[in-house]
Amino acid sequence: DVKVTQSSRYLVKRTGEKVFLECVQDMDHENMFWYRQDPGLGLRLIYFSYDVKMKEKGDIPEGYSVSREKKERFSLILESASTNQTSMYLCASSSSPTSYGYTFGSGTRLTVV
Amino acid sequence: QKEVEQNSGPLSVPEGAIASLNCTYSDRGSQSFFWYRQYSGKSPELIMFIYSNGDKEDGRFTAQLNKASQYVSLLIRDSQPSDSATYLCATRAGVSGGYNKLIFGAGTRLAVHP
Repeated sequence: DVKVTQSSRYLVKRTGEKVFLECVQDMDHENMFWYRQDPGLGLRLIYFSYDVKMKEKGDIPEGYSVSREKKERFSLILESASTNQTSMYLCASSSSPTSYGYTFGSGTRLTVV
Repeated sequence: QKEVEQNSGPLSVPEGAIASLNCTYSDRGSQSFFWYRQYSGKSPELIMFIYSNGDKEDGRFTAQLNKASQYVSLLIRDSQPSDSATYLCATRAGVSGGYNKLIFGAGTRLAVHP
């Protein structure tokens, strides 16, 4: 019954590495989102996509890029990982318009050392 | 900047009591309202949504919406220790937000003690 799948639950990477976080949904949703969540800061939107090959910056896009080549897959890329990108990363998807809320993936806890 | 405000807590209630979680929002164009539950180390899980003024009940949960006062609340009756979690309030952005994004509050931590 898993509907939004994030490829890794835990990930440890070195500073300067290029990091790919993958998210796949099987609900045929138009919208997909990447958030990071840090203690005391809540959910912060990094990027979102409302269609294939379309993307929009969220509140904190610096240091990140995204790719959406297929409707079901939305990738988050850390071009050169830094220690301040250590965080919980959450992918979500929704129909358009977002009438019924988001469905979240299980999250990826990324540690950059 | 559209905002959703929640008291961070912790809100501590005894087992069996009613837990009342509150949320205010700034965007009068907000049209849909959501409550998510998030256990420590887990991702948020949708538990309630409400679109119209008034109350909506689902089991032990009741969502209340007052658009004139711009607040939404979640009541949990007969609180159980398993209800201990962080509860996130979210609104769907209005016209300016393109209807596709949710705006989240920072969450209220609920602790139900035996």
